[in-house]
Amino acid sequence: GDSVTQMEGPVTLSEEAFLTINCTYTATGYPSLFWYVQYPGEGLQLLLKATKADDKGSNKGFEATYRKETTSFHLEKGSVQVSDSAVYFCALSIPGRRALTFGSGTRLQVQP
Amino acid sequence: DAGVIQSPRHEVTEMGQEVTLRCKPISGHDYLFWYRQTMMRGLELLIYFNNNVPIDDSGMPEDRFSAKMPNASFSTLKIQPSEPRDSAVYFCASSLGGSVNQPQHFGDGTRLSIL
Repeated sequence: GDSVTQMEGPVTLSEEAFLTINCTYTATGYPSLFWYVQYPGEGLQLLLKATKADDKGSNKGFEATYRKETTSFHLEKGSVQVSDSAVYFCALSIPGRRALTFGSGTRLQVQP
Repeated sequence: DAGVIQSPRHEVTEMGQEVTLRCKPISGHDYLFWYRQTMMRGLELLIYFNNNVPIDDSGMPEDRFSAKMPNASFSTLKIQPSEPRDSAVYFCASSLGGSVNQPQHFGDGTRLSIL
């Protein structure tokens, strides 16, 4: 079946450090890929998405590129801030099925 | 604009009791999703509706769980009888249209504790 695998956290970084959170997927067909972010006590918010191979999603300084050859969608940010501390979820959606399949989430802690 | 509204935010009850979680989707959205989040299993889809009709309920864990959407602005998830292993955060989400280009908007969740 369809699945998403994320690197385990927590990831602890100092402010202004470079961030990478790895995400790989297994899916039938050609999925769309997403990163969602969850701040403490809140629901998930869409961070960025990519709907076809080689697309790059970007938002708030975060980027991720849809790599079909490696079935990956790694999240990157050049300089993290304390306010980026949250849990990040990679997710996919396959054509014809509206629901999302989520990875297990990666907690990011950014220290001043 | 109001987002997805869930109630209650927190629920603590004893095992065996009936629990009802409520969700008001964003006005005009035609898809509604119920998810459950636990440490062990992460985020799991329970059921989703399109135009108030259940489309996929394969994630509903067992017959103790039921979900309804009587109209476009309201949905409930009911657990009867509740068990300690049902303790989790339950999220409702809504979206507009069937395209994956339309994001799902999540509520803040209901944290359920079954004693």
